[in-house]
Amino acid sequence: QVQLVESGGGSVKPGGSLRLSCAASGFSFNDVYMSWIRQAPGKGLEWLAYISLTGITISYSDSVKGRFTISRDRAKNSLFLQMNSLRAEDTAVYYCAKEGRTYFDHWGQGTLVTVSS
Amino acid sequence: QSALTQPAAVSGSPGQSITISCTGTLSEIGGYDYVSWYQQHPGKAPKLIIYDVNNRPSGVSNRFSGSKSGNRASLTISGLQAEDEADYYCCSYTSSTTYVFGTGTKVTVL
Repeated sequence: QVQLVESGGGSVKPGGSLRLSCAASGFSFNDVYMSWIRQAPGKGLEWLAYISLTGITISYSDSVKGRFTISRDRAKNSLFLQMNSLRAEDTAVYYCAKEGRTYFDHWGQGTLVTVSS
Repeated sequence: QSALTQPAAVSGSPGQSITISCTGTLSEIGGYDYVSWYQQHPGKAPKLIIYDVNNRPSGVSNRFSGSKSGNRASLTISGLQAEDEADYYCCSYTSSTTYVFGTGTKVTVL
């Protein structure tokens, strides 16, 4: 069965960096787009970025463009999110999600990122 | 990209039907048949319940149905059950080759 397991969350000071990972299994990772989506405490869902099968096509939301970088390792079936210049408003649970073309058909359990001084 | 607009809360009694609206613009909902809906119980990851406006993934109850007219999409839950109490989010692909979620709706079963 499809499994997505995020890791790398934690506490960081404003201006700091963090790298999130998502280990994928149970499906052909190299055949699907992948996305990162976050949810601030008590708030709604916010799509952040997606990456194509080969990594050539990438798209970001305006809120993270220039600060966050999505990437994937096809050999290790892993998705990453490098987060730089972190702000308090980046505090959220971060989910990786498998795309079913135009929707997100499987989600990980999420990893919490807290940005605070 | 602004979030799609959903009512903050909708409620209904067991057995009733409720409808959640999701309003956007021609840049997302009105321009593409790529609206999806997600159900999220407290402390859990979201779960896909409708994709491409009105398609249900395997295993999702047929009590959930979706539709779209112009720049507005809707999710209808018929035969409301206690387990349907959750947050619901719409989502659309956009003309900027991004995705945007709705503001979310809390469904309460009275």
